[in-house]
Amino acid sequence: GIQVEQSPPDLILQEGANSTLRCNFSDSVNNLQWFHQNPWGQLINLFYIPSGTKQNGRLSATTVATERYSLLYISSSQTTDSGVYFCAVNDYKLSFGAGTTVTVRA
Amino acid sequence: GAVVSQHPSRVICKSGTSVKIECRSLDFQATTMFWYRQFPKQSLMLMATSNEGSKATYEQGVEKDKFLINHASLTLSTLTVTSAHPEDSSFYICSAYSSGESSYEQYFGPGTRLTVT
Repeated sequence: GIQVEQSPPDLILQEGANSTLRCNFSDSVNNLQWFHQNPWGQLINLFYIPSGTKQNGRLSATTVATERYSLLYISSSQTTDSGVYFCAVNDYKLSFGAGTTVTVRA
Repeated sequence: GAVVSQHPSRVICKSGTSVKIECRSLDFQATTMFWYRQFPKQSLMLMATSNEGSKATYEQGVEKDKFLINHASLTLSTLTVTSAHPEDSSFYICSAYSSGESSYEQYFGPGTRLTVT
């Protein structure tokens, strides 16, 4: 199956800082999703992004499918951004990366 | 739109009993739903693909007789953990994508935390 690797595994930010999370995948894929898992376990859809760049408020994502990676940008981080961020390769079934745990300190 | 619910959100049961978890798509029809489990501080692992009107497809290593899946309608899939044991304690999450959309974007339920004592 497709291997999905996320980096870094952990990220500690001061409120207001910017950050970049990376997702590499081992094979060409039809699509990719980014999720935020909140402290209660709910996965929140952030982006469904096969290629190109999308923006949603302080978050944006870029997928370069030909080079098999995707980036998630968090700008002006807030404490509510804390949680685990997952990327998942969407080839009908989802294959998840191990996640990046983000802690934003006030 | 694209809301998925799960019930119950939390359940504690005794070893040897069975537990049923429901997954519903509230505002769309889903011919296919997926069941995942997640252990603490780990990623999600796909257990099975639930197909409306047909048998579920299980991932390698998942016991189909222990984790019974029924997809009785276009909005409901159930996962029954039979003869539960403490090692079955985990966070179970379902997802679905809308049959009416051309994309396969998946939406997740809030999860069910199962504790087997």
